Amino acid sequence: QVQLQESGPGLVKPSETLSLTCTVSGGSISSYYWSWVRQPPVKGLEWIGYIYYSGSTSYNPSLKSRVTISVDTSKNQLSLKLTSVTAADTAVYYCARGPTSKSYYYYYMDVWGKGTTVTVSS
Amino acid sequence: DIQMTQSPSSLSASVGDRVTITCRASQSIKNYLNWYQQKPGKAPKLLIYAASSLQSGVPLRFSGSGSGTDFTLTISSLQPEDFATYYCQQSNSPPPYTFGQGTKLEIK
Repeated sequence: QVQLQESGPGLVKPSETLSLTCTVSGGSISSYYWSWVRQPPVKGLEWIGYIYYSGSTSYNPSLKSRVTISVDTSKNQLSLKLTSVTAADTAVYYCARGPTSKSYYYYYMDVWGKGTTVTVSS
Repeated sequence: DIQMTQSPSSLSASVGDRVTITCRASQSIKNYLNWYQQKPGKAPKLLIYAASSLQSGVPLRFSGSGSGTDFTLTISSLQPEDFATYYCQQSNSPPPYTFGQGTKLEIK
């Protein structure tokens, strides 16, 4: 079955750029939407944004000026970049599979990676 | 942004109990509402999508209902593995998609 694996540095300095990759295995990245979601320590879930396999994106306005999500269909990977990070960006970051375009309006996330912890600290 | 408010924030119940968690949206979202279960240290797991559709592989004791602004997740007979935190998530267009603050279900 489809599995997602997040990877990237676990420690990022303030003001620098957080860069994460999500590798999709057991299935194709094509035909689906893909999201990044984060969860600060002992807090709830925050949707960061999504990318369609064709490259169209949507971002949370609260992060829009700092976030970029991209996709590499040849590698079956998606990526997240978050610039100018602060301690408030410390969180577990998840990638998750969204629906196909047929079910877009019911944007549910049915496959999740295990998450990767990113700490912002000098 | 659409605000999602869950109640209660925490709940104590016993194995075999029937439990209901409520999620209220700040404006109508039709049936664009999903429910997730999250256990400590684990990723969320999709339980219900489109307010009432059971995700494949999820036990039948889980059910969802509602439309517009008010939604419920019901567990008909609690099992030991159901003790977790539950989140609702709205997918009304356009984004951003937002989650409720979570309901922590604990063993009484």
